[in-house]
Amino acid sequence: EADIYQTPRYLVIGTGKKITLECSQTMGHDKMYWYQQDPGMELHLIHYSYGVNSTEKGDLSSESTVSRIRTEHFPLTLESARPSHTSQYLCASGETGVGQPQHFGDGTRLSIL
Amino acid sequence: GNSVTQMEGPVTLSEEAFLTINCTYTATGYPSLFWYVQYPGEGLQLLLKATKADDKGSNKGFEATYRKETTSFHLEKGSVQVSDSAVYFCALLNQAGTALIFGKGTTLSVSS
Repeated sequence: EADIYQTPRYLVIGTGKKITLECSQTMGHDKMYWYQQDPGMELHLIHYSYGVNSTEKGDLSSESTVSRIRTEHFPLTLESARPSHTSQYLCASGETGVGQPQHFGDGTRLSIL
Repeated sequence: GNSVTQMEGPVTLSEEAFLTINCTYTATGYPSLFWYVQYPGEGLQLLLKATKADDKGSNKGFEATYRKETTSFHLEKGSVQVSDSAVYFCALLNQAGTALIFGKGTTLSVSS
């Protein structure tokens, strides 16, 4: 069973605050990902990383930023939260190699007032 | 480019009914195919996978066969339970292993 952890699970916070969503995995996976999930449940890739010091933007433009200083840690930061950032954020990791699935955390449900 | 199309929901069934959720894909080369399940309030869990043509993935009574000739990976279960109520995602991983493409998800609701 995959071990990938996201904190917090739920966050309700006011507009203008700086937010960091945490994601950690204990499997030593090189690849990590952040998805935004809209109310219709569709998933949108917003950031990914193929290893330490590697970060790339995904298919959906996002005002968030990410960092990958350690293999196991891939935090996502919003410098100034707005109501439009209200969403479910899912972190995933996976091994390098053909046919390797991604493993997901339980998500952070973010509400900006 | 690569894409995944799955049937729109919601799918509403009675307990013990037969389930099919259709998934078709467009891809170059030889992708790997997956079904993920998302229970309310949780992240996605890998349900099953198939990495080459004619492979059958199976788990928890669910099955899907990788059909290259019809570019399909339909999810089936012979007898659904209330606990199977969830959102199901079909996904494709490109041959290089660099991009995972998800369908839009299908919501399944099973009543007793």
